[in-house]
Amino acid sequence: QKEVEQDPGPLSVPEGAIVSLNCTYSNSAFQYFMWYRQYSRKGPELLMYTYSSGNKEDGRFTAQVDKSSKYISLFIRDSQPSDSATYLCAMRGGSYIPTFGRGTSLIVHP
Amino acid sequence: DADVTQTPRNRITKTGKRIMLECSQTKGHDRMYWYRQDPGLGLRLIYYSFDVKDINKGEISDGYSVSRQAQAKFSLSLESAIPNQTALYFCATSGLTGEAFFGQGTRLTVV
Repeated sequence: QKEVEQDPGPLSVPEGAIVSLNCTYSNSAFQYFMWYRQYSRKGPELLMYTYSSGNKEDGRFTAQVDKSSKYISLFIRDSQPSDSATYLCAMRGGSYIPTFGRGTSLIVHP
Repeated sequence: DADVTQTPRNRITKTGKRIMLECSQTKGHDRMYWYRQDPGLGLRLIYYSFDVKDINKGEISDGYSVSRQAQAKFSLSLESAIPNQTALYFCATSGLTGEAFFGQGTRLTVV
């Protein structure tokens, strides 16, 4: 079992939908949680960075961490075709080396 | 200008050839990483370096070597390229908070 599990999708939604992307993990030492967006043939770019449990909001994006369940989520409100990309979760403990999920492919169709 | 720059962006090489991928960063970070990305397998860590004198193997270092020439420069070498090293390669850096910043990637094809 990988330390970080993420459904590869693809997840296809209509424009304007609320999108929920999720990851589970097994390492209880993870304390820092990140979400990256990767467009085709581009490098991953950092979207959200959170520490420990709770919610963090940035515009249409909300990151949620539930450490008791070892479960993290990224919500995208009012999804747009430009949100179509692969979303990778990442997390780390004290080692500073992030462990990545495999990524979920999101398609937002007009 | 990009914070993390990788060269070349695309490369086709023959089996058995030596090839070097280069990475430079302007973020002033000490930590640098090399990943490869394959469809369905996500990002896998090849090597990482926490400072100029520190080099560590990642989960898939066999067939690769690295050199940290300066705080801002970290290169990856394939001594004798083989077809299953065909992949998308990413360099990344991180600071004290651990947020990783990636380059645009090098698409390597070994024929």
